[in-house]
Amino acid sequence: AQKVTQAQTEISVVEKEDVTLDCVYETRDTTYYLFWYKQPPSGELVFLIRRNSFDEQNEISGRYSWNFQKSTSSFNFTITASQVVDSAVYFCALSEAQTDSWGKLQFGAGTQVVVTP
Amino acid sequence: KAGVTQTPRYLIKTRGQQVTLSCSPISGHRSVSWYQQTPGQGLQFLFEYFSETQRNKGNFPGRFSGRQFSNSRSEMNVSTLELGDSALYLCASKGSGYEQYFGPGTRLTVT
Repeated sequence: AQKVTQAQTEISVVEKEDVTLDCVYETRDTTYYLFWYKQPPSGELVFLIRRNSFDEQNEISGRYSWNFQKSTSSFNFTITASQVVDSAVYFCALSEAQTDSWGKLQFGAGTQVVVTP
Repeated sequence: KAGVTQTPRYLIKTRGQQVTLSCSPISGHRSVSWYQQTPGQGLQFLFEYFSETQRNKGNFPGRFSGRQFSNSRSEMNVSTLELGDSALYLCASKGSGYEQYFGPGTRLTVT
């Protein structure tokens, strides 16, 4: 069963618009981590942010912000004032505490973000 | 600190052959995980090694194997290659934190 769902396949915006990426996850663990990664055309996955299951405080880091809600099992990610360099595929991922699985990331299908000038 | 390095970056093999991919983690990181990325299946976890021991394994056939050396470098081997093994293979290292840092990947094409 898919544990991480990213329903948006592709989002196209014009530069300076905000972009919000949705992520819904499923786990029976009470202890887990959620991540967002960016994959530019070069192919390398770049770590962006992480959030643990005990901290629902939403944060802002530069142009990135995230909204974690355990009640709806959602971990949404927003890019404010998008730039062309933000064009990439963005992945939401989950790692769980069970059986020492911190080294196992379960990814969503990814959302392609296209930012045009 | 140098990032995660993977060699080779590109590889073309024929069905039935075997292949070995290499990954050097970030200095000080002891956990190395491998992932396969294909257009159809997305990013899938292969296995994780920690201190030379396999700690977790994904749902892949036994043709996929790996190992880790005492310097934390890891290799992944695929035997009896099939066309469906064509993919981007990504290696990631993890230190004491919870996030993984990825290498540039090895693009394997099986003909």
